[in-house]
Amino acid sequence: SQTIHQWPATLVQPVGSPLSLECTVEGTSNPNLYWYRQAAGRGLQLLFYSVGIGQISSEVPQNLSASRPQDRQFILSSKKLLLSDSGFYLCAWGGGRETQYFGPGTRLLVL
Amino acid sequence: AQSVTQLDSHVSVSEGTPVLLRCNYSSSYSPSLFWYVQHPNKGLQLLLKYTSAATLVKGINGFEAEFKKSETSFHLTKPSAHMSDAAEYFCAVKMDSSYKLIFGSGTRLLVRP
Repeated sequence: SQTIHQWPATLVQPVGSPLSLECTVEGTSNPNLYWYRQAAGRGLQLLFYSVGIGQISSEVPQNLSASRPQDRQFILSSKKLLLSDSGFYLCAWGGGRETQYFGPGTRLLVL
Repeated sequence: AQSVTQLDSHVSVSEGTPVLLRCNYSSSYSPSLFWYVQHPNKGLQLLLKYTSAATLVKGINGFEAEFKKSETSFHLTKPSAHMSDAAEYFCAVKMDSSYKLIFGSGTRLLVRP
């Protein structure tokens, strides 16, 4: 069966520091991968998606970037965090008929 | 363009009573529709999905939803609420010819003892 992992689970970072969040999927090949952000009390905002290694589509202009160095690895990065980057970051992979399955999330607090 | 509207931001029910969470969608074609549940500080868990098969879809934990094309609705129901159902629920529609999902703003379900 398929499993999706995210780490770290929680992260507290100062403004201006770099960021790297990792997502890995097990049990499937060549999945579509997604990064979402969920701000406090708000819905889900799609940030990036990828249909293959090195293929990244950005949905929202911002100081975040994403990379897919391996088939089942998806990384969300920033060179300099802003206060507004705080939120709950969710990774998802796309299955049959594009049902998306979500990871456990990373809670990011930028101070 | 596709969109999803969850009509209630909060719903409160007593344990053992029925649950109704409302979702309306806008889509040019026959859509794929999903309901997800999110418990505090957790990821989203798929409850059920409609992908142009039977209009009444049964999901996990006793939830079901009915696709009504004439009403452009996909409401989520459960006959009897449990305390463990207290969570946030998201309705989503798959965009036509795209990999993307469009999510509603969520409905927080409170279950009173």
